[in-house]
This record gives sequence, structure tokens and C-alpha cells, in this order.
Amino acid sequence: EPEVTQTPSHQVTQMGQEVILRCVPISNHLYFYWYRQILGQKVEFLVSFYNNEISEKSEIFDDQFSVERPDGSNFTLKIRSTKLEDSAMYFCASSGRGEQFFGPGTRLTVL
Amino acid sequence: QQQVKQSPQSLIVQKGGISIINCAYENTAFDYFPWYQQFPGKGPALLIAIRPDVSEKKEGRFTISFNKSAKQFSLHIMDSQPGDSATYFCAAANNAGNMLTFGGGTRLMVKP
Repeated sequence: EPEVTQTPSHQVTQMGQEVILRCVPISNHLYFYWYRQILGQKVEFLVSFYNNEISEKSEIFDDQFSVERPDGSNFTLKIRSTKLEDSAMYFCASSGRGEQFFGPGTRLTVL
Repeated sequence: QQQVKQSPQSLIVQKGGISIINCAYENTAFDYFPWYQQFPGKGPALLIAIRPDVSEKKEGRFTISFNKSAKQFSLHIMDSQPGDSATYFCAAANNAGNMLTFGGGTRLMVKP
């Protein structure tokens, strides 16, 4: 069964460093998303991406964040200068025209 | 207006019992209501979803009840099993492909 994959599973970084989280969406999907979940809290929408551009973004997705689809398979989330409060699980999701399927997540720890 | 409120935060049910989780929303533009199941260390997995043109949807032991006038929907898990122990999130969107607004989650424990 096709699934969304994410790498790395765990990323530890120092405050102020740049991180890139990677996702491989399900191959025939056209819509891509990033969500985050701070430990013990609800899942929050960050950004959606379609046709090589951002279609929606939340207040959380400020200038420190960017997304890219550098090739036909990967979808990345970059955080330019990480803050302590960026520590969370980051989930990538993809969809065809309907249900969103989530990856296993990347746990980002900012020290 | 974008919030989705979920209750209870935690729930303990005996094996074979019925688990009921409730959600309420405010945004009348929402027209897609999925439920996700999340095990520790994993991503949310779609369990079942409903649109407001029906009041109930059943898939196996899982049923969504939807009350459009009250802007509420709920998940019923019949014959709950220990393997159902997980965190359940309701969500809402104004289209299946658009941003999901999640509820706060319910941690379900089914005791053997």
C-alpha cells in the first residue's frame, strides 16, 4: 500500500540553525501539506502546496519557513533559523483530490 | 471561528464497551469531517470521514453521527478492543483537500 515517507525520523539542532525536513508523498498525489504537533497538543496546519505554489498557509508559517518541491518526488520544509518553540513533530501529508494521508513524522528537537 | 472543540480529553472503556467522542465546530463553511487515529510515535491515520449531506456513516465498528443544526459530530466505537487504545482526533475542513482544523484529541484506553 502506498504511503507517505519522511526523513529523518528525529532531528536535533541548535537554536538559530537551519533545518530541512524531507517528505516523499504518495506518487500520484498532487496536493501536499505540512502540519506540526507540539508534544501533547493538537495537530496544527502549517501550509498546503499545489501546482508548485503555496495554496494556503497558517499564521504559524512565517518568514522563517519555506517549502519546496525540488524534484518530482520530494517535498521539503525548511526552517531558516530555528527557535526553541519550533520543537515539535512535523507531519507531511498528501492527497489526490480528497483524504489526506499522513507520514510518520519527523521529531524536531531544538536545543 | 476556525476552532474545533473535542471532548473528553481522555476516556477509559472496558473491553466490549462503546467509546463515544464528541466534537463541535463553529465554521458553517466546513463540509468535510474526518476522524484520525494516532498511535504513539506514528502519524495520524484516517479512520472514517463524513460530509454533512448524511447524518450517519458506519464502517465496521466505527460510526460517525453528524448533527448539522447543532454543528456537532461524534465518533462511536462499538465493541471497543484493547487494540483501539490510541489518541483520536476529529477534524474539519471546507473541502476534503483543504487545510484540516483538528480538535484537541482524545486519549482512549480500552481495558481488557
